[in-house]
Amino acid sequence: GEDVEQSLFLSVREGDSSVINCTYTDSSSTYLYWYKQEPGAGLQLLTYIFSNMDMKQDQRLTVLLNKKDKHLSLRIADTQTGDSAIYFCAEISPGGGNKLTFGTGTQLKVEL
Amino acid sequence: NAGVTQTPKFQVLKTGQSMTLQCAQDMNHEYMSWYRQDPGMGLRLIHYSVGAGITDQGEVPNGYNVSRSTTEDFPLRLLSAAPSQTSVYFCATMGGALYEQYFGPGTRLTVT
Repeated sequence: GEDVEQSLFLSVREGDSSVINCTYTDSSSTYLYWYKQEPGAGLQLLTYIFSNMDMKQDQRLTVLLNKKDKHLSLRIADTQTGDSAIYFCAEISPGGGNKLTFGTGTQLKVEL
Repeated sequence: NAGVTQTPKFQVLKTGQSMTLQCAQDMNHEYMSWYRQDPGMGLRLIHYSVGAGITDQGEVPNGYNVSRSTTEDFPLRLLSAAPSQTSVYFCATMGGALYEQYFGPGTRLTVT
C-alpha cells in the first residue's frame, strides 16, 4: 500500500528557515498536502500542491515537489515560535477512494 | 458554524469496557472518517464513510465499529477496550475541490 515517511524531529532557531521533508511511494498521487497540528488540537490544512506542479509559494511557505524522486518538502522562511507544531505531509490518489495517507509527522521546535 | 465536534475530550476506560466516541458535523460533508494518532506513527485510518448508510474499513479497523445513519453523525464504538487502544482519536470530514479534511479537536482515550 501507500507509504509516506518523514523525519520525526526538527529544531531550528527563531528567524532561520525550516525545511521539512517527506517521501511517498504512490506515483498516482494527485494532491499532496501539508497539515499543521498545534498542541492539543486537530490538524489544519496549511498548504497543498497539485501533482503537476514543481513548486508553490504562499507567503513564508514554499512547497517543492520532485515527482521523479517522490519527494515533497515544506520550507518555512523566518521561522517564528508560533510555528512550533507537528507538520504532516499527506497524499491522495483517485484510486484510493479519496482516502488520505498521512506521514508520521515532524515535530518542529523553534528555539529563541 | 461549529465545524466538526467530538465528545468526550478525555476518557479513561478499564480493559473490557465498551464506549462510543461521538462525532458530529454541520458542514454537510458526505465523507467522514475516524483516525487514531499514536507517537511516531502519524494518523492511521480506522473507518470511513462516503455517505449516510455507507461505511468501510480503513487501515486499523479491528476492535472498532461505526455506523452512519445521518449525514451529520458518525459515532465510533469500542466493543471491548484494550490497552492497545490507548490513543488520541480524531474525527474528520472531507469537502471542497481540494479534498481538504476538517478535523475535530480529538478525544484522548486511556485504557487501563
